[in-house]
Amino acid sequence: QITLKESGPTLVKPTQTLTLTCTFSGFSLSTSAVGVGWIRQPPGEALEWLALIFWDDDKRYSPSLKNRLTITKDTSKNQVVLTMTNMDPVDSATYYCAHRLGGSSSGGTFDYWGQGTLVTVSS
Amino acid sequence: QSVLTQPPSVSGAPGQRVTISCSGSRSNIGAGYDVHWYQQLPGTAPKLLISGNNNRPSGVPDRFSGSKSGTSTSLAITGLQAEDEADYYCQSYDTSLSGWVFGGGTKLTVL
Repeated sequence: QITLKESGPTLVKPTQTLTLTCTFSGFSLSTSAVGVGWIRQPPGEALEWLALIFWDDDKRYSPSLKNRLTITKDTSKNQVVLTMTNMDPVDSATYYCAHRLGGSSSGGTFDYWGQGTLVTVSS
Repeated sequence: QSVLTQPPSVSGAPGQRVTISCSGSRSNIGAGYDVHWYQQLPGTAPKLLISGNNNRPSGVPDRFSGSKSGTSTSLAITGLQAEDEADYYCQSYDTSLSGWVFGGGTKLTVL
């Protein structure tokens, strides 16, 4: 079955760069149409899509955060890495990675999610 | 401000039927992109509830159903149960943003 798990620091200081790793199993990121996305959720707030990487290394970013985000994949390790630069306290949130189900490079749904990792930004 | 608009809260008594609306625009729902619904129980990750407007993944009770009309969609829950108390999110794709978008979430309270 498909599983995903996020890992990374729980606390980062303002202006630092956050690096999160999503380690998954049950699917391959070298299979056509497969994608892995990152979504975050500040405490008590709504879900916000951040970035997504496709099997063919096509990368998509939220327009509002595009300048701060980088998403990469390591197919051999079954991992997807998200980096976010210049962290601010407003970036404190639970960060989720998720498997995207869909037949094209647009649309689709997130059918499997990791448990999430809470990141706090504070000095 | 979320791209998809949901009511902040809805409530209903056990056994009742409730609906949660999700309104979009011509660049997302109105452009023909499917809407998907997630259930988030307290302290847990979102779980896919309805995909492709009205498809239930295995294990999701048929008390949950989705519908779509124009630039709006709705999630209906019949035979409300205490365990349905959760936050519900709609999600689609937006062609103007070239990305995936979520609603602001709706908190369902079972009275």
